[in-house]
Amino acid sequence: DAKTTQPPSMDCAEGRAANLPCNHSTISGNEYVYWYRQIHSQGPQYIIHGLKNNETNEMASLIITEDRKSSTLILPHATLRDTAVYYCIDTSNTGNQFYFGTGTSLTVIP
Amino acid sequence: GAVVSQHPSWVICKSGTSVKIECRSLDFQATTMFWYRQFPKQSLMLMATSNEGSKATYEQGVEKDKFLINHASLTLSTLTVTSAHPEDSSFYICSAPSTSGLWTQYFGPGTRLLVL
Repeated sequence: DAKTTQPPSMDCAEGRAANLPCNHSTISGNEYVYWYRQIHSQGPQYIIHGLKNNETNEMASLIITEDRKSSTLILPHATLRDTAVYYCIDTSNTGNQFYFGTGTSLTVIP
Repeated sequence: GAVVSQHPSWVICKSGTSVKIECRSLDFQATTMFWYRQFPKQSLMLMATSNEGSKATYEQGVEKDKFLINHASLTLSTLTVTSAHPEDSSFYICSAPSTSGLWTQYFGPGTRLLVL
């Protein structure tokens, strides 16, 4: 079962940073947090993952709290094409299977 | 990144027929693949883990005789929906984990099934 909680929806103005929070308070010490997004009627797309340090790639930045109980995905300059459902996933005690929570539906507004 | 394909991308069938969906890892080998189902406006639900050369393991509540999984090679897993009924209409998605040592998964584009 999913062990993460995310706000169900968020809006963000085009060109501004989108900050998407996720609580994963039961994450175990050596498990990664993964972020994916799903654009309507497509398969989920990998965004980024992290363990304890902050991470950045060409798509986004991931900020993980020191206690690892929560993280924030940052899209630095949101575009209309970033409108999607964003999922954070904790694979603790799942045998590396992904259990999706309800995710956050991000709408980027022109 | 790694590419996972699915075929067909959409299918319409009559109630009572069986439908086979293929999932292929195009540029890497996958001893394990995963199958998900997604109903409209809902999240992805893990159905089963497909294991190359052995039986699939199913999540609680998923009927193994209804959803037959075969993983006969390192690049192909198939999901067969047997005796499909309208309530089986859904978006079916597969994934395969990265071979990089981490369990980053790569997802296929999905197959939309409509049972009439």
